[in-house]
Amino acid sequence: EPEVTQTPSHQVTQMGQEVILRCVPISNHLYFYWYRQILGQKVEFLVSFYNNEISEKSEIFDDQFSVERPDGSNFTLKIRSTKLEDSAMYFCASSAEIRETQYFGPGTRLLVL
Amino acid sequence: GENVEQHPSTLSVQEGDSAVIKCTYSDSASNYFPWYKQELGKRPQLIIDIRSNVGEKKDQRIAVTLNKTAKHFSLHITETQPVDSAVYLCAAPHNQAGTALIFGKGTTLSVSS
Repeated sequence: EPEVTQTPSHQVTQMGQEVILRCVPISNHLYFYWYRQILGQKVEFLVSFYNNEISEKSEIFDDQFSVERPDGSNFTLKIRSTKLEDSAMYFCASSAEIRETQYFGPGTRLLVL
Repeated sequence: GENVEQHPSTLSVQEGDSAVIKCTYSDSASNYFPWYKQELGKRPQLIIDIRSNVGEKKDQRIAVTLNKTAKHFSLHITETQPVDSAVYLCAAPHNQAGTALIFGKGTTLSVSS
């Protein structure tokens, strides 16, 4: 069964550094998403992406964040200048259509020191 | 935008008992309600979902009911087993046209044998 994959599984970075989190969505899916989950808290929506542009974004997704689909398979989340409060598990997800099941990747645990 | 409230935050049952988790939503136009199971440190995995054109859906020991008038939907697990122990997350679409899922805070279910 196809799965969403994410790399790296863990990332430790210094405050102020840039990080890029990578995702490979399920191959025939058209909608891509990033969510985050701070330890012990709920899953929070960051951004959705369709047809090479952002469909929706939350208040969390400020100018420090950007997303890109650099090629036919990868979907990336960049945090330009990380803050301590960016420490969280970041999940990528994809779905075949809008309002269809969103399949989540295994997550990247980001720790900002 | 949507707001999702989930209760209870923790639930402990004996093996073989039933468990019920309830979520309320705010946007009466919401029409898709998934439930995810998240084991510790793992990705959320869809276990069942329901659309607003039906009132109940079952899949073996799991069922979901939807009350559109009261704007709540519930997860029912019968004949619980220790493997059912996990965090259960409900979600609803951010808005009628949106792609984002807004999650509840989660319910930690513990099934003791």
